[in-house]
Amino acid sequence: KAGVTQTPRYLIKTRGQQVTLSCSPISGHRSVSWYQQTPGQGLQFLFEYFSETQRNKGNFPGRFSGRQFSNSRSEMNVSTLELGDSALYLCASSLDYNSPLHFGNGTRLTVT
Amino acid sequence: AQKVTQAQTEISVVEKEDVTLDCVYETRDTTYYLFWYKQPPSGELVFLIRRNSFDEQNEISGRYSWNFQKSTSSFNFTITASQVVDSAVYFCALTFPPSGGSYIPTFGRGTSLIVHP
Repeated sequence: KAGVTQTPRYLIKTRGQQVTLSCSPISGHRSVSWYQQTPGQGLQFLFEYFSETQRNKGNFPGRFSGRQFSNSRSEMNVSTLELGDSALYLCASSLDYNSPLHFGNGTRLTVT
Repeated sequence: AQKVTQAQTEISVVEKEDVTLDCVYETRDTTYYLFWYKQPPSGELVFLIRRNSFDEQNEISGRYSWNFQKSTSSFNFTITASQVVDSAVYFCALTFPPSGGSYIPTFGRGTSLIVHP
């Protein structure tokens, strides 16, 4: 069974730009969640989608948004990038809230 | 509010030593789920174990064992006879059933384990 796939692996963007990250979950997993990982803040929950609906949202500004498609693939968008958005963005899929998360390798975003 | 505390930021051991990673959690919910994940240098977090709040049985899987104690709100992880391949960051996490359709999983800050040959 293929694992969680995130693209791209690395991104370098300039302040003010926007970026879209993609995540393909494990087949059959309807829950897709996104996390931001930084050395200073650790793993922070961004949001979770289940069957195309955003079910949960962490404490991030509205510049961070996402969506999920009917095939469970998910995208995350960050608009008006700030230097502080530099981080490893991890996507995880699972069967549901109490199931283990299966993580992708992440997208390393650098904002200059 | 939910909280997960991994007080040990970094642990350094020599191969074959036993090591215990601590995890203390806070929640008012009676139903919850605890997890441990491993993040090797490659970056991808890997699931290790899940425990629900009604199952206090300890578990052993090879060199890994977990001690869940509700009385002290702890879910500690022990690696016996550590190996260099165990070097990674280990995360403890807490989730609970959605309330009003919402929940936010909580991760500890992680413990970096370095095993020297």
